[in-house]
Amino acid sequence: GNSVTQMEGPVTLSEEAFLTINCTYTATGYPSLFWYVQYPGEGLQLLLKATKADDKGSNKGFEATYRKETTSFHLEKGSVQVSDSAVYFCALPTYNQGGKLIFGQGTELSVKP
Amino acid sequence: EAGVTQFPSHSVIEKGQTVTLRCDPISGHDNLYWYRRVMGKEIKFLLHFVKESKQDESGMPNNRFLAERTGGTYSTLKVQPAELEDSGVYFCASSQTGLDVYGYTFGSGTRLTVV
Repeated sequence: GNSVTQMEGPVTLSEEAFLTINCTYTATGYPSLFWYVQYPGEGLQLLLKATKADDKGSNKGFEATYRKETTSFHLEKGSVQVSDSAVYFCALPTYNQGGKLIFGQGTELSVKP
Repeated sequence: EAGVTQFPSHSVIEKGQTVTLRCDPISGHDNLYWYRRVMGKEIKFLLHFVKESKQDESGMPNNRFLAERTGGTYSTLKVQPAELEDSGVYFCASSQTGLDVYGYTFGSGTRLTVV
């Protein structure tokens, strides 16, 4: 079945450091891929998405490229800020099962000034 | 528009007690989903309502969990009796169209601690 594997955290970085959070997936076909973010005290928010192979999703300085050959969707940001401190989740939908999402285990990011 | 509202935001109960979580979806959203994140692991699907009907409850862990959505509006998730392993964060999400994943809106979650 479909699954998502995400690098474990927590990850602690200094402000302006480069961020990579790895995500690999197993899926039937080529589903869309998503990154969700949960800021402290808030709900899950869609950060970015990619709908087909080689697509690059981007938002708020974050980017992720849908790599079919490596079944990966790694999240990157060139210069993190303290406000990026949050938990990040990689996810893929199961369109033939009512649209429910399959999530990775989440990576907690802490950015220090 | 108002977002998805969940309450309580936190709940601490003793093993064996009963707890009821509530989710108010965005008005007009027929689809309502419950998810759970346990002990820092992945967020797992629990069940899916379409209006008041359970479309998929394959993720419900056992019969101590009962979800309802009377009238197709708000939903409740009752845990009775609660066990230690039920501790975690319970998320609710709603959408207008089940297959339109882009349209999901999540609530802030309820953090349940069973002691």
